[in-house]
Amino acid sequence: EIVLTQSPGTLSLSPGERATLSCRASQSVSSNSLAWYQQKPGQAPRLLIYGASSRATGTPDRFSGSGSGTDFTLTISRLEPEDFAVYYCQQYGYSPRTFGQGTKVEIK
Amino acid sequence: EVQLVESGGGLVKPGGSLRLSCAASGFTFSNYYMNWVRQAPGKGLEWVSSISSSSSNIYYADSVKGRFTISRDNAKKSLYLQMNSLRAEDTAVYYCARSIVAPGVGDYWGQGTLVTVSS
Repeated sequence: EIVLTQSPGTLSLSPGERATLSCRASQSVSSNSLAWYQQKPGQAPRLLIYGASSRATGTPDRFSGSGSGTDFTLTISRLEPEDFAVYYCQQYGYSPRTFGQGTKVEIK
Repeated sequence: EVQLVESGGGLVKPGGSLRLSCAASGFTFSNYYMNWVRQAPGKGLEWVSSISSSSSNIYYADSVKGRFTISRDNAKKSLYLQMNSLRAEDTAVYYCARSIVAPGVGDYWGQGTLVTVSS
């Protein structure tokens, strides 16, 4: 199975700052089949990005995804108070679908 | 408005069984792949199973294969997960999720139902 490693584990930033989250796959993810989710405490995950760089319906344009092959990045251009949460990447090019362990973006 | 509402969670002893349900509304249920994804307390997300719109294609994580069975009733707009031979490591919140992008990718999620396996 493809193992996804997210870094850093925790990102401490202030509102207005730029956040850069990394997701590295143990092997190349086919057709850039990589998604990003946001999860807040006590809530279900929310799909942000699919196909490595396509924003899901309702995703603000301050969120952008990039990358290919084994290295992917989620960038939040300017953090809003509601963006402090845990972010997961997921590959869906191969079965089983696998998730990264998550990156927590916390208020500094 | 798309809504997914899970039910059926609870406390069960190791080796026991439980059946989860997910009631869908606000979209044409029979057109979509559906999934179960779980999250152990304080842990990350784990994909469990996916089922195609007509039930012709079904996939399971190795960790549940042979113990869990996913099914759906398009007439009732409902998704199910029959869980047998439950283990302590199956303790988690179980989410139902719709797929529009690809199997296993959830674009809409329910609020989840907690399954606790303990003696």
